[in-house]
Amino acid sequence: NAGVMQNPRHLVRRRGQEARLRCSPMKGHSHVYWYRQLPEEGLKFMVYLQKENIIDESGMPKERFSAEFPKEGPSILRIQQVVRGDSAAYFCASSPGQGADGYTFGSGTRLTVV
Amino acid sequence: SQKIEQNSEALNIQEGKTATLTCNYTNYSPAYLQWYRQDPGRGPVFLLLIRENEKEKRKERLKVTFDTTLKQSLFHITASQPADSATYLCALDYSMDTGRRALTFGSGTRLQVQP
Repeated sequence: NAGVMQNPRHLVRRRGQEARLRCSPMKGHSHVYWYRQLPEEGLKFMVYLQKENIIDESGMPKERFSAEFPKEGPSILRIQQVVRGDSAAYFCASSPGQGADGYTFGSGTRLTVV
Repeated sequence: SQKIEQNSEALNIQEGKTATLTCNYTNYSPAYLQWYRQDPGRGPVFLLLIRENEKEKRKERLKVTFDTTLKQSLFHITASQPADSATYLCALDYSMDTGRRALTFGSGTRLQVQP
Protein backbone atom coordinates (compact mmCIF):
# COMPACT_ATOMS: atom_id res chain seq x y z
CA ASN A 1 0.00 0.00 0.00
CA ALA A 2 2.35 2.66 -1.27
CA GLY A 3 1.71 6.22 -0.23
CA VAL A 4 1.96 9.23 -2.48
CA MET A 5 4.86 8.73 -4.87
CA GLN A 6 6.73 11.68 -6.27
CA ASN A 7 9.59 11.63 -8.71
CA PRO A 8 12.21 12.63 -9.19
CA ARG A 9 13.31 13.40 -5.61
CA HIS A 10 15.88 15.88 -6.87
CA LEU A 11 15.88 17.73 -10.17
CA VAL A 12 18.49 20.14 -11.46
CA ARG A 13 17.65 22.32 -14.43
CA ARG A 14 19.46 25.15 -16.17
CA ARG A 15 17.65 28.44 -16.60
CA GLY A 16 15.32 28.29 -19.57
CA GLN A 17 14.81 24.51 -19.47
CA GLU A 18 11.58 22.71 -18.64
CA ALA A 19 10.92 20.86 -15.39
CA ARG A 20 8.40 18.02 -15.14
CA LEU A 21 7.41 16.79 -11.71
CA ARG A 22 5.34 13.65 -11.31
CA CYS A 23 2.95 12.55 -8.60
CA SER A 24 1.06 9.28 -8.21
CA PRO A 25 -1.62 9.66 -5.53
CA MET A 26 -2.38 7.10 -2.89
CA LYS A 27 -4.56 4.24 -4.10
CA GLY A 28 -8.21 5.19 -3.81
CA HIS A 29 -7.51 8.93 -3.62
CA SER A 30 -9.01 11.02 -6.41
CA HIS A 31 -8.07 14.50 -5.16
CA VAL A 32 -4.55 15.79 -5.83
CA TYR A 33 -2.98 19.00 -4.57
CA TRP A 34 0.36 20.61 -5.39
CA TYR A 35 2.17 22.84 -2.91
CA ARG A 36 5.45 24.74 -3.11
CA GLN A 37 7.74 25.27 -0.14
CA LEU A 38 10.59 27.74 -0.09
CA PRO A 39 13.36 27.38 2.54
CA GLU A 40 12.16 28.44 6.00
CA GLU A 41 8.69 29.17 4.63
CA GLY A 42 5.36 27.43 4.79
CA LEU A 43 3.60 25.40 2.14
CA LYS A 44 1.92 27.54 -0.50
CA PHE A 45 -1.07 26.09 -2.34
CA MET A 46 -0.67 25.94 -6.10
CA VAL A 47 -3.36 23.78 -7.70
CA TYR A 48 -6.09 21.26 -6.91
CA LEU A 49 -6.98 18.56 -9.43
CA GLN A 50 -9.22 15.59 -9.88
CA LYS A 51 -8.98 13.11 -12.73
CA GLU A 52 -8.97 15.07 -16.03
CA ASN A 53 -10.09 18.26 -14.24
CA ILE A 54 -8.38 21.27 -12.77
CA ILE A 55 -10.60 22.20 -9.84
CA ASP A 56 -8.72 25.28 -8.70
CA GLU A 57 -5.45 26.80 -9.89
CA SER A 58 -5.65 30.07 -7.98
CA GLY A 59 -2.18 29.52 -6.49
CA MET A 60 -0.43 28.87 -9.78
CA PRO A 61 1.65 31.60 -11.41
CA LYS A 62 -0.16 32.75 -14.53
CA GLU A 63 2.73 32.02 -16.85
CA ARG A 64 5.08 29.06 -17.35
CA PHE A 65 3.30 26.77 -14.85
CA SER A 66 0.74 24.14 -15.75
CA ALA A 67 -0.66 21.00 -14.16
CA GLU A 68 -2.63 18.01 -15.31
CA PHE A 69 -4.06 14.81 -13.91
CA PRO A 70 -4.90 12.57 -16.85
CA LYS A 71 -7.31 9.66 -16.81
CA GLU A 72 -4.36 7.28 -16.82
CA GLY A 73 -1.02 7.96 -15.20
CA PRO A 74 0.36 10.38 -12.65
CA SER A 75 -0.37 14.02 -12.12
CA ILE A 76 2.25 16.26 -13.74
CA LEU A 77 3.37 19.72 -12.68
CA ARG A 78 5.17 21.37 -15.56
CA ILE A 79 7.34 24.45 -15.32
CA GLN A 80 8.52 25.91 -18.61
CA GLN A 81 11.56 28.16 -19.03
CA VAL A 82 12.60 27.79 -15.41
CA VAL A 83 14.21 30.69 -13.55
CA ARG A 84 16.28 30.68 -10.35
CA GLY A 85 13.25 31.79 -8.34
CA ASP A 86 11.54 28.50 -9.18
CA SER A 87 14.04 26.65 -6.99
CA ALA A 88 11.99 25.12 -4.17
CA ALA A 89 10.56 21.90 -2.83
CA TYR A 90 7.35 20.90 -4.59
CA PHE A 91 5.02 18.63 -2.66
CA CYS A 92 2.08 16.69 -3.92
CA ALA A 93 -0.70 15.54 -1.60
CA SER A 94 -3.76 13.41 -2.13
CA SER A 95 -6.98 12.80 -0.26
CA PRO A 96 -10.04 10.60 -0.72
CA GLY A 97 -12.39 13.58 -0.39
CA GLN A 98 -11.97 17.31 0.05
CA GLY A 99 -9.42 16.91 2.83
CA ALA A 100 -11.54 16.35 5.91
CA ASP A 101 -9.61 13.14 6.57
CA GLY A 102 -6.21 14.77 6.24
CA TYR A 103 -3.90 14.92 3.28
CA THR A 104 -1.25 12.32 2.51
CA PHE A 105 1.89 13.99 1.24
CA GLY A 106 4.67 12.67 -0.91
CA SER A 107 8.33 13.22 -0.06
CA GLY A 108 8.56 16.08 -2.51
CA THR A 109 10.71 17.02 -5.48
CA ARG A 110 13.52 19.42 -4.80
CA LEU A 111 14.05 21.57 -7.86
CA THR A 112 17.29 23.47 -8.22
CA VAL A 113 17.69 25.90 -11.09
CA VAL A 114 21.29 26.73 -11.93
CA SER B 1 -6.49 39.68 4.65
CA GLN B 2 -6.39 36.06 5.73
CA LYS B 3 -3.50 35.02 7.95
CA ILE B 4 -2.33 31.96 9.82
CA GLU B 5 0.33 32.63 12.43
CA GLN B 6 2.59 30.17 14.13
CA ASN B 7 5.50 31.11 16.33
CA SER B 8 8.48 31.26 14.00
CA GLU B 9 10.94 30.92 16.86
CA ALA B 10 12.00 27.40 17.71
CA LEU B 11 10.63 25.91 20.90
CA ASN B 12 13.23 24.16 23.06
CA ILE B 13 12.08 21.98 25.93
CA GLN B 14 13.44 19.23 28.14
CA GLU B 15 12.53 15.63 27.60
CA GLY B 16 9.51 14.63 29.65
CA LYS B 17 7.95 18.10 29.67
CA THR B 18 4.81 19.14 27.79
CA ALA B 19 5.33 21.08 24.57
CA THR B 20 2.62 23.59 23.63
CA LEU B 21 2.48 25.09 20.15
CA THR B 22 0.11 27.86 19.09
CA CYS B 23 -1.73 28.55 15.87
CA ASN B 24 -3.66 31.80 15.45
CA TYR B 25 -5.69 32.77 12.43
CA THR B 26 -7.59 35.82 11.19
CA ASN B 27 -10.33 36.31 8.62
CA TYR B 28 -11.03 32.61 8.20
CA SER B 29 -14.04 30.58 9.13
CA PRO B 30 -12.62 27.09 8.94
CA ALA B 31 -14.80 24.04 9.23
CA TYR B 32 -11.80 22.18 10.63
CA LEU B 33 -8.18 22.59 11.54
CA GLN B 34 -5.38 20.08 11.14
CA TRP B 35 -1.90 19.58 12.54
CA TYR B 36 0.99 18.03 10.64
CA ARG B 37 4.54 17.06 11.48
CA GLN B 38 7.37 17.69 9.02
CA ASP B 39 10.89 16.34 9.32
CA PRO B 40 13.80 17.85 7.34
CA GLY B 41 13.74 16.77 3.71
CA ARG B 42 10.39 15.02 4.07
CA GLY B 43 6.77 15.75 3.31
CA PRO B 44 4.33 16.69 6.09
CA VAL B 45 2.62 13.86 7.94
CA PHE B 46 -0.98 14.25 9.12
CA LEU B 47 -1.41 14.02 12.90
CA LEU B 48 -4.82 15.25 14.02
CA LEU B 49 -7.95 16.96 12.79
CA ILE B 50 -10.37 18.94 14.94
CA ARG B 51 -13.71 20.26 13.74
CA GLU B 52 -15.20 23.67 14.49
CA ASN B 53 -17.77 22.18 16.86
CA GLU B 54 -15.13 20.28 18.86
CA LYS B 55 -13.26 21.88 21.72
CA GLU B 56 -10.59 19.25 22.22
CA LYS B 57 -9.19 16.13 20.54
CA ARG B 58 -6.69 13.62 21.88
CA LYS B 59 -4.54 10.95 20.31
CA GLU B 60 -2.03 9.14 22.49
CA ARG B 61 0.35 11.85 23.80
CA LEU B 62 -1.13 14.52 21.54
CA LYS B 63 -3.90 16.95 22.42
CA VAL B 64 -5.38 19.69 20.26
CA THR B 65 -7.78 22.44 21.30
CA PHE B 66 -9.78 24.69 18.99
CA ASP B 67 -11.27 27.98 20.13
CA THR B 68 -13.24 29.55 17.27
CA THR B 69 -13.96 32.66 19.37
CA LEU B 70 -10.28 33.35 20.01
CA LYS B 71 -9.45 31.97 16.54
CA GLN B 72 -6.74 29.85 18.06
CA SER B 73 -5.63 26.25 18.27
CA LEU B 74 -3.18 24.85 20.80
CA PHE B 75 -1.22 21.67 20.11
CA HIS B 76 0.21 19.82 23.11
CA ILE B 77 2.69 16.94 23.25
CA THR B 78 2.87 15.45 26.72
CA ALA B 79 5.88 13.50 28.04
CA SER B 80 7.90 14.81 25.11
CA GLN B 81 10.76 12.76 23.68
CA PRO B 82 13.76 13.70 21.52
CA ALA B 83 12.04 11.80 18.67
CA ASP B 84 9.28 14.44 18.78
CA SER B 85 11.77 17.03 17.49
CA ALA B 86 10.40 18.29 14.17
CA THR B 87 8.52 21.19 12.63
CA TYR B 88 4.78 21.21 13.35
CA LEU B 89 2.41 22.80 10.86
CA CYS B 90 -1.09 24.05 11.45
CA ALA B 91 -3.50 23.92 8.50
CA LEU B 92 -7.01 25.31 7.96
CA ASP B 93 -9.51 24.46 5.32
CA TYR B 94 -10.79 27.41 3.36
CA SER B 95 -13.30 27.95 0.63
CA MET B 96 -11.88 28.78 -2.79
CA ASP B 97 -13.65 30.87 -5.40
CA THR B 98 -14.95 27.66 -6.97
CA GLY B 99 -16.70 26.76 -3.73
CA ARG B 100 -14.35 23.82 -3.22
CA ARG B 101 -12.28 23.64 -0.07
CA ALA B 102 -8.52 23.17 0.24
CA LEU B 103 -5.97 23.44 3.00
CA THR B 104 -3.82 26.46 3.73
CA PHE B 105 -0.79 26.06 5.98
CA GLY B 106 1.01 28.11 8.57
CA SER B 107 4.79 28.45 8.37
CA GLY B 108 5.30 25.96 11.19
CA THR B 109 7.06 25.96 14.54
CA ARG B 110 10.23 23.95 15.06
CA LEU B 111 10.27 21.90 18.25
CA GLN B 112 13.54 20.71 19.75
CA VAL B 113 13.32 18.27 22.66
CA GLN B 114 16.56 18.05 24.63
CA PRO B 115 17.47 14.71 26.24
